Amino acid sequence: DTGVSQDPRHKITKRGQNVTFRCDPISEHNRLYWYRQTLGQGPEFLTYFQNEAQLEKSRLLSDRFSAERPKGSFSTLEIQRTEQGDSAMYLCASSKGPPYNEQFFGPGTRLTVL
Amino acid sequence: KQEVTQIPAALSVPEGENLVLNCSFTDSAIYNLQWFRQDPGKGLTSLLLIQSSQREQTSGRLNASLDKSSGRSTLYIAASQPGDSATYLCAVRRDSNYQLIWGAGTKLIIKP
Repeated sequence: DTGVSQDPRHKITKRGQNVTFRCDPISEHNRLYWYRQTLGQGPEFLTYFQNEAQLEKSRLLSDRFSAERPKGSFSTLEIQRTEQGDSAMYLCASSKGPPYNEQFFGPGTRLTVL
Repeated sequence: KQEVTQIPAALSVPEGENLVLNCSFTDSAIYNLQWFRQDPGKGLTSLLLIQSSQREQTSGRLNASLDKSSGRSTLYIAASQPGDSATYLCAVRRDSNYQLIWGAGTKLIIKP
């Protein structure tokens, strides 16, 4: 059983550049979630997919952020025109539907915007 | 608006002690509560999930309890070991909503 994987694990970019992260969920999980975590804080919800449908987006997800899950399998999170405030750990999680809705997390992608 | 609080923010205890970590939430209408462990710079490992209808869950040396009416959950760690050193986070899922609402975590240090 392979867990949730994320790529890359680390990304350093200059302010104003675009970045894209990938998440591969556990294969039988139809729900996929993106969170952002800054140092010393708990994660903050960004967005949620059920299969390929994006069902919920946080107000934190500005118009510079976009997420896709085109075939209901892997997902991508793109940040356009990065800002220093985007520096954080971006976490992906997946789960089955109810009642087996325990969320399992990937190792995260740490973004540093210079 | 649901708020999740974990106190203390940090805890240091000698190896071998039993300890309790606390999590409180403001809205008792939760679907479930999950405890996670996070090692420095790493992702989150799910430890225990308690459905709203359950009172407790156990896994090895870990026991999590849930009291919805008082808005509290505890994570009990028996016979602590240095390898238990990590940040422990709790998160609640709201009814009819798949978001997890998180506490800021308790950083636990077990001294050899």
